[in-house]
Amino acid sequence: GNSVTQMEGPVTLSEEAFLTINCTYTATGYPSLFWYVQYPGEGLQLLLKATKADDKGSNKGFEATYRKETTSFHLEKGSVQVSDSAVYFCALYPDSNAGGTSYGKLTFGQGTILTVHP
Amino acid sequence: EAQVTQNPRYLITVTGKKLTVTCSQNMNHEYMSWYRQDPGLGLRQIYYSMNVEVTDKGDVPEGYKVSRKEKRNFPLILESPSPNQTSLYFCASRALTGVYGYTFGSGTRLTVV
Repeated sequence: GNSVTQMEGPVTLSEEAFLTINCTYTATGYPSLFWYVQYPGEGLQLLLKATKADDKGSNKGFEATYRKETTSFHLEKGSVQVSDSAVYFCALYPDSNAGGTSYGKLTFGQGTILTVHP
Repeated sequence: EAQVTQNPRYLITVTGKKLTVTCSQNMNHEYMSWYRQDPGLGLRQIYYSMNVEVTDKGDVPEGYKVSRKEKRNFPLILESPSPNQTSLYFCASRALTGVYGYTFGSGTRLTVV
């Protein structure tokens, strides 16, 4: 079945540091890939997405590139802020042409807690 | 405003006392789903529904029930809650077309003692 693996956290950085959160996946065909962010006490919000190989998703200074050859979708930001402190989830949506019973289901990684200090 | 509304936000209950967590969406979405979030495990799907009167099990359905009598509502029912169901629960919805537009509720933190 489909699966998503994120780097273990928590991650603690100083303001303006460079951020990388690794994400790799296992899935048939060409799934769509997402990063969601969960701020304290809130639900999940879509941060960025990529729907085909070599696509780059970007939003709020965050970027991630869909790498089919390495089955990865690492999240990066050049200069983090205190307000970026949150839990980040990598997720995949199955390729509709891949068959199986995963239709409609987002599969999530385990989440990475990011804390940014001033 | 397009949204998914869950209630309650917080709930503490005792083992064996039936409870219902409500979920309602105002976007006319066909697809609705329940997830639970546990530390180190991410979000795991409990049940989902493709449309009215169409529901199916996700990855962790044991101990839960759902119903979909109306398009906008998708309640999660715990007939006899146990402490291992202590978790953070999220309802989500999306249209069947335009694949990617999941909208999540704000979550329900359930504690079973």
